[in-house]
Amino acid sequence: GAGVSQSPSNKVTEKGKDVELRCDPISGHTALYWYRQSLGQGLEFLIYFQGNSAPDKSGLPSDRFSAERTGGSVSTLTIQRTQQEDSAVYLCASSLGPTPDTIYFGEGSWLTVV
Amino acid sequence: GENVEQHPSTLSVQEGDSAVIKCTYSDSASNYFPWYKQELGKRPQLIIDIRSNVGEKKDQRIAVTLNKTAKHFSLHITETQPEDSAVHFCEASRGGGNKLTFGTGTQLKVEL
Repeated sequence: GAGVSQSPSNKVTEKGKDVELRCDPISGHTALYWYRQSLGQGLEFLIYFQGNSAPDKSGLPSDRFSAERTGGSVSTLTIQRTQQEDSAVYLCASSLGPTPDTIYFGEGSWLTVV
Repeated sequence: GENVEQHPSTLSVQEGDSAVIKCTYSDSASNYFPWYKQELGKRPQLIIDIRSNVGEKKDQRIAVTLNKTAKHFSLHITETQPEDSAVHFCEASRGGGNKLTFGTGTQLKVEL
């Protein structure tokens, strides 16, 4: 595709429900990143996938958060038993290879937990 | 791990003036330092980057300088325009497959 695609763009969910956020990276990009951005805040690292290597999960805030990347392409970020503090924009980014290759961000998925 | 500090958090300048945003990093092995611009409600986009083998890079009105000894790098925008108004983020990484560590962002406002 032309860029990194994320879905849904907006999601409102009730506290305690599970949500799945999807990221389609640019075709051929081996590196994929998930970041979280709360309103007016910076970019909080969540997880990083690089090729077939084990992902760097060091940024996941709790065991309610998990992510997978199937076939080295599409990635899904799952948040179980959502809490109000999970409300944020979840940004996905991809790059052709590991840094210093340029990374490209998606438009983000805005999650609101009510 | 890497820690990146960014200052100032907000910056207001008059149109045509220069703007400077500074970042410091902790990991001496970091070798790649990009800057991103994020307009309100939009995705962050790369505006300029620098690698550790050079001390300065310029692209029209935007320049980045790097001081590896002091472990800091700066974004310089000259002749600022209203469309420069956005949040600007710095980032530092080692390269070769590591997570990216961003600064906390600077809200730049260019006033007419």
